Amino acid sequence: SQTIHQWPATLVQPVGSPLSLECTVEGTSNPNLYWYRQAAGRGLQLLFYSVGIGQISSEVPQNLSASRPQDRQFILSSKKLLLSDSGFYLCAWRVKGTGNAITPNTEAFFGQGTRLTVV
Amino acid sequence: SQKIEQNSEALNIQEGKTATLTCNYTNYSPAYLQWYRQDPGRGPVFLLLIRENEKEKRKERLKVTFDTTLKQSLFHITASQPADSATYLCAGYSSASKIIFGSGTRLSIRP
Repeated sequence: SQTIHQWPATLVQPVGSPLSLECTVEGTSNPNLYWYRQAAGRGLQLLFYSVGIGQISSEVPQNLSASRPQDRQFILSSKKLLLSDSGFYLCAWRVKGTGNAITPNTEAFFGQGTRLTVV
Repeated sequence: SQKIEQNSEALNIQEGKTATLTCNYTNYSPAYLQWYRQDPGRGPVFLLLIRENEKEKRKERLKVTFDTTLKQSLFHITASQPADSATYLCAGYSSASKIIFGSGTRLSIRP
């Protein structure tokens, strides 16, 4: 069965420090991968998505970057954290459709999230 | 811009009643909508998917409708229980690769 691992679960970092959050998926290949951020009491904001190794699309201009060095590994990074980077970060994957078609079973599977507090 | 909107931030209802949550979409026509449940401090969990050519989809006590004229999906929980208390998120696909989520509705079921 497929599983998604995201770590760490919580992180407290000082302003100006670097960030690296890692997400790996098991039991599937060539998934679409996503990074979301959720502010307290708010919805999910799509930050980045990837359809393949080295292919990253950014949704919101910001202080963050993403990389996909391997098929099932997705990394969220920052060189210098800001206070506004605090939030709940979620990694997700879903099965890729065939060409531009969307398969019936295309729900997103989420990791457990990382609570980041920048102080 | 394309949007998914859940206008009710919170909904409080009595146990046993039917909870109805609303999701509206603007500036696009999603091929389908999905509903997720999110518990505090956890990632969302998929519940139901409904396609634009489906009027209604059911799963146990859950029912979802899709009205392309109103550009709206309704999510119903019948015979609600305190364990149904959570935040429920609506999501739509704007392309073959992206998911857009609404801000969610926090549902509280009181005994």
